[in-house]
Amino acid sequence: ETGVTQSPTHLIKTRGQQVTLRCSSQSGHNTVSWYQQALGQGPQFIFQYYREEENGRGNFPPRFSGLQFPNYSSELNVNALELDDSALYLCASRSAGGRAGTQYFGPGTRLTVL
Amino acid sequence: KNQVEQSPQSLIILEGKNCTLQCNYTVSPFSNLRWYKQDTGRGPVSLTIMTFSENTKSNGRYTATLDADTKQSSLHITASQLSDSASYICVVTDTGGFKTIFGAGTRLFVKA
Repeated sequence: ETGVTQSPTHLIKTRGQQVTLRCSSQSGHNTVSWYQQALGQGPQFIFQYYREEENGRGNFPPRFSGLQFPNYSSELNVNALELDDSALYLCASRSAGGRAGTQYFGPGTRLTVL
Repeated sequence: KNQVEQSPQSLIILEGKNCTLQCNYTVSPFSNLRWYKQDTGRGPVSLTIMTFSENTKSNGRYTATLDADTKQSSLHITASQLSDSASYICVVTDTGGFKTIFGAGTRLFVKA
């Protein structure tokens, strides 16, 4: 177990709807990253939050947004869902003061858009 | 363009056999390379992490090698078990720690 938890585990939505996914980071970790993983593909970086501010973003449109809270937990929000948004969404946490790349993944949220 | 390419795309081996997975990268400047194991529908779990100065790292039956000059890494699995069936993902991070590139993974099937 990595100590990173995500909720919900599975979610079904329809096109145009909005969704919020949640992540609780490992204790002591102040940096959270979100990834989208389509079936059979490697994870794609969405964005990263450090101390409640976004400090890195991948090639995703603005309808993908996030939040990080004072306790370092995080949310990923996706508006105007599209069919291609169906994927496994992974959250990973690490300590910013720790070795770069030492991040721990949660179990993921499987999102299906119909 | 920063890329991480893995081969083969998929692999089928018999239980007890060894196998080697390959990873080539162009991420620069390079900080570290990690191998993850990912079971279907689950989050990736770290197997090994290597920095520029490390050539090999072992974790039980998993041994990773790194050649920073040729920008190649391999993951060798010895005496495979049925539970080794999973995707193995190579991940490379740049020195700033902000650019993390994932390979598409190698899907390994271990058959009895």
